[in-house]
Order: sequence, then structure tokens, then C-alpha cells
Amino acid sequence: EAGVTQFPSHSVIEKGQTVTLRCDPISGHDNLYWYRRVMGKEIKFLLHFVKESKQDESGMPNNRFLAERTGGTYSTLKVQPAELEDSGVYFCASSLTGGAGETQYFGPGTRLLVL
Amino acid sequence: RKEVEQDPGPFNVPEGATVAFNCTYSNSASQSFFWYRQDCRKEPKLLMSVYSSGNEDGRFTAQLNRASQYISLLIRDSKLSDSATYLCVVVMNTGFQKLVFGTGTRLLVSP
Repeated sequence: EAGVTQFPSHSVIEKGQTVTLRCDPISGHDNLYWYRRVMGKEIKFLLHFVKESKQDESGMPNNRFLAERTGGTYSTLKVQPAELEDSGVYFCASSLTGGAGETQYFGPGTRLLVL
Repeated sequence: RKEVEQDPGPFNVPEGATVAFNCTYSNSASQSFFWYRQDCRKEPKLLMSVYSSGNEDGRFTAQLNRASQYISLLIRDSKLSDSATYLCVVVMNTGFQKLVFGTGTRLLVSP
């Protein structure tokens, strides 16, 4: 069974540009999460989808970040316009039911560098 | 204060050694607890869940002390392949399953 996949693996852009990250969860997983790790800091939660609905977006840093999950399958995270502090590793994770204690499976991450 | 605190290390130990990591969390409403492992430039992977009664998986033993808000991980008979960053992870009792991570403790096992 395929795991969580993310595209691209790396992205280097200039400040002010737009970048769109994609995540394909494990097939059948209704719950999809975005996390981010900036240099020297811990991994932090951004948001949680249940199917196509945003269940919790309390971790989104500001309105330059837009996440979508049309159709409840893959998700995109767009950063527009990108700032230097957006550099980091963006992880996507998925889980089946979102129940207490359930394992979240992580994708390999997208490494974003904003110059 | 960070929600989940860990000693960043690194812990340098020889093969065969026993090593213990600790973690504290600030929110008493936390409901689920995990140790994840992250290899260099890879994604986090679940190592084990942590229960109040303590649980063991081979060479790994995890313990939770709710009164002290403290979580531990013990690795016995360390292998070279255990070298990684160990992330302490907590889930709050909010009905949502967002993971709250510590910064991780780096372990280096040498021959």
C-alpha cells in the first residue's frame, strides 16, 4: 500500500513568489494534517481536514497560507506571497478515522527555501 | 514555556548501552502520548504509544507519569541503527487529533 506522498520534495523560490505544495494521503484516509518545521524549532501543527472540510486550522500562521482539499482526496497548501520566514519543511500526515490515539502517517515532506 | 519540553542532546552512547530520554508536557488536559522517531532528513515515524501502565516493545520501554506530566523512553542494548532523533508527542483533550511535538532528542550510537 502506498504511503503519504508529497510534491515537490524541494522548492526554492524568491520572496514574494507563490508556491503550491501537494499532499496525497493514504488511500481511504479521511483525515489529513499539515505540519511545518522551521529551522531550529519543533514541528508545529498547521491544520486538519476531515474529508474536504477544515476541522481545525488554528495553526495556520497568517492569511498568506491557503489550504484546500477539494473532493476530499489530495490537498494543496499555497503560500502567497512567500516570505523568508516561511522556509522550512512542510509535512503532511493522514489517518483513517482521526480517533483518540490513532497513528498519523507522515509523508516525506517538502523542503521550502525562500530567498 | 513550550508545551512539550525535551533535552535536545545529543546523547552519545556506545553500542550496547542503555539510554533514557525524558519529556515533560505543560497541559494537564493532554490525553494521548507518543514517541516518534525521525531519521536525518526523513519524516517522523511512530515508535510507540505511551500508556500510564507503562509499555514495552522489544528493547524499548515507555512510561507516563500523569501526576508529574512526565514521559520517558528507555532504550536497552543500543544498536547503531537506533541513531536518530526521538520526538516526544502529545495530543490535547480537545477532540481534535493535532499532534504537539517536542523539539526532539538526538541519539548517536557509536561502535
